[in-house]
Amino acid sequence: GNSVTQMEGPVTLSEEAFLTINCTYTATGYPSLFWYVQYPGEGLQLLLKATKADDKGSNKGFEATYRKETTSFHLEKGSVQVSDSAVYFCALTPPAGNKLTFGGGTRVLVKP
Amino acid sequence: DAGVIQSPRHEVTEMGQEVTLRCKPISGHNSLFWYRQTMMRGLELLIYFNNNVPIDDSGMPEDRFSAKMPNASFSTLKIQPSEPRDSAVYFCASSGFRRGLASNLEQFFGPGTRLTVL
Repeated sequence: GNSVTQMEGPVTLSEEAFLTINCTYTATGYPSLFWYVQYPGEGLQLLLKATKADDKGSNKGFEATYRKETTSFHLEKGSVQVSDSAVYFCALTPPAGNKLTFGGGTRVLVKP
Repeated sequence: DAGVIQSPRHEVTEMGQEVTLRCKPISGHNSLFWYRQTMMRGLELLIYFNNNVPIDDSGMPEDRFSAKMPNASFSTLKIQPSEPRDSAVYFCASSGFRRGLASNLEQFFGPGTRLTVL
C-alpha cells in the first residue's frame, strides 16, 4: 500500500535559519505529492504540490522537488520566520485517485 | 467563498451520548472527506464520498461511527454511543474529482470540530 514517512519533530529553529523537512514515500506508479501546513487551532492548508517527476512546487518561500529516483519530496525554506511555526504534513494521492495518504506531521517552532 | 463549514466548532458531551458533526463542502466540489486527528494516532481518514456515494469507509473505527451525505451540500458524521477515546478533532475536507484525471486536485479543509467526551 501507499505510505509517507517524514522526520519527527519538533524542529526548533531561530528566525532566518534554513529549514529542511525530509519526506519519503512508497507508492506504485507516479503519485501526486503535497505539503500541507496546519497553523495552531486551524485546519490543514495546501502549501505546495507536484504532480510529476522533477516538478518543483513552491509557495511562500517554501520549495519541494519531486524526486522519483529517491522517492522523496523534501520541504525547504531558506529563511524562516516566527509565523512559519506550524505542523507540516507530507502527503500523496495515487494516480487517478483522490485519497490522500499523510505522513505523521512535523512540528516546527521558530523562535525570535 | 466561505470555504468548508463545520459545526459545531466545539462539542463537549458525556459518555454514552449521541454526537452529530456537520459539514458543508465548498459549492461545486463533489468529493468529501472526514478525518480524525489525535496526538496518539495523528491524522486518520475515516471515510470519503464521491458524488455523495461512500467510496471507502475502511477508516471508520467501529459500528458506533456512521456517516451520511444526503446531498452534495451536506454531510454528517455520527457517533453513538460516544466514548472518551473518541475525543479528537474531526476535520471535513472537500475537493473536485473527475474520474480518469490525474489526482492533483487540492483538498480544502474545514476548521474542525473539537470533540471532548467525558
